[in-house]
Amino acid sequence: DAGVIQSPRHEVTEMGQEVTLRCKPISGHDYLFWYRQTMMRGLELLIYFNNNVPIDDSGMPEDRFSAKMPNASFSTLKIQPSEPRDSAVYFCASSSLRWTSGPYNEQFFGPGTRLTVL
Amino acid sequence: GENVEQHPSTLSVQEGDSAVIKCTYSDSASNYFPWYKQELGKRPQLIIDIRSNVGEKKDQRIAVTLNKTAKHFSLHITETQPEDSAVYFCAASIRDYQLIWGAGTKLIIKP
Repeated sequence: DAGVIQSPRHEVTEMGQEVTLRCKPISGHDYLFWYRQTMMRGLELLIYFNNNVPIDDSGMPEDRFSAKMPNASFSTLKIQPSEPRDSAVYFCASSSLRWTSGPYNEQFFGPGTRLTVL
Repeated sequence: GENVEQHPSTLSVQEGDSAVIKCTYSDSASNYFPWYKQELGKRPQLIIDIRSNVGEKKDQRIAVTLNKTAKHFSLHITETQPEDSAVYFCAASIRDYQLIWGAGTKLIIKP
């Protein structure tokens, strides 16, 4: 398996533009997570899906952010309109529940998308 | 709410010495505690994890210990090498098998 795939790897845009980040999880994984990482705020969970259904979006900063997972192999994170404070590295991670002496959920991260909003 | 506190935020050690990073969690139901390493410009990657039914796990130069009573767990790296320089994150499982993350520790190995 190629691992979690994200595109684009780098995105530079101007304030007010729409940005769409894409993620392909590892085949067979039924959890998908979107994270944002900045120096100031560290690693923040934005939203996660289980079996393509959004479970917890309490980390989404505001209405400008939206995420979808139309099928098990694809998810998008959209920012509209983008603002300079959205500049960060956005990671997608996927996982599948495992059972060894109880359930656990190892997350596998994609390479990230570095977003710069000018 | 649930949280994980991680200390120190920065740790500088001489090459060959040991490094210890500590985390404290709040959810007594947590039962899975992974440690991730993130090199500069790269993705976080799992280096070791521990389940709540064991107190210690070792993999070559790295080990993790867990004290469920005190709700804290630690990462130990022995005989540190330059390639150990990175940011290390601890995490603890919470409801629906999510992970809640520590703020990270920047480990610097001095030559």
